[in-house]
Amino acid sequence: AQSVSQHNHHVILSEAASLELGCNYSYGGTVNLFWYVQYPGQHLQLLLKYFSGDPLVKGIKGFEAEFIKSKFSFNLRKPSVQWSDTAEYFCAVTGAGSQGNLIFGKGTKLSVKP
Amino acid sequence: GAGVSQSPSNKVTEKGKDVELRCDPISGHTALYWYRQRLGQGLEFLIYFQGNSAPDKSGLPSDRFSAERTGESVSTLTIQRTQQEDSAVYLCASSLEGGPKKLFFGSGTQLSVL
Repeated sequence: AQSVSQHNHHVILSEAASLELGCNYSYGGTVNLFWYVQYPGQHLQLLLKYFSGDPLVKGIKGFEAEFIKSKFSFNLRKPSVQWSDTAEYFCAVTGAGSQGNLIFGKGTKLSVKP
Repeated sequence: GAGVSQSPSNKVTEKGKDVELRCDPISGHTALYWYRQRLGQGLEFLIYFQGNSAPDKSGLPSDRFSAERTGESVSTLTIQRTQQEDSAVYLCASSLEGGPKKLFFGSGTQLSVL
């Protein structure tokens, strides 16, 4: 079955700590991968995406993610978090060229202590 | 409009009543998606529209759920004979073209079934 697994439900970090949020997917075929973020009181918005090419993709606000095909993973990283990164982060997958459904993980809540 | 607009933002209803949730996508966006997010869960795909047709209805959980889209614009999600397990945030998203390359989400409708 197609699915996305996010390993951590809630991560608490201090400012300037490094961040890595895990994401593993189960999906047959070539995939497109996404990270979405929902800041408190705001809409879900796209953080970064991978379609093809360089497996290390960079997104907004200093975030990056690495697609490791052999591990079916797409972990999100940031070298030094800020209080403003407090949010919920969702990993998502769909088939390359898919016209429809984006499959989301359950999300990881990140709390950054000032 | 500037973004995806959903109404109402909150809806409290009694078990057994019908509810209608509305989504106004970004002007010109041909693709429209409905997702549901139950407390503590990830986003659950419900239905996808390309123009006014729905090529993928696979996520609708029962025949109590239906959706339509008119004028390649507004979409309405209808839940008949609501049940307590229907309580969730219902999110609408749109994208410029077919395929979930970049989804723009609304702020959702919080549905509470008493």
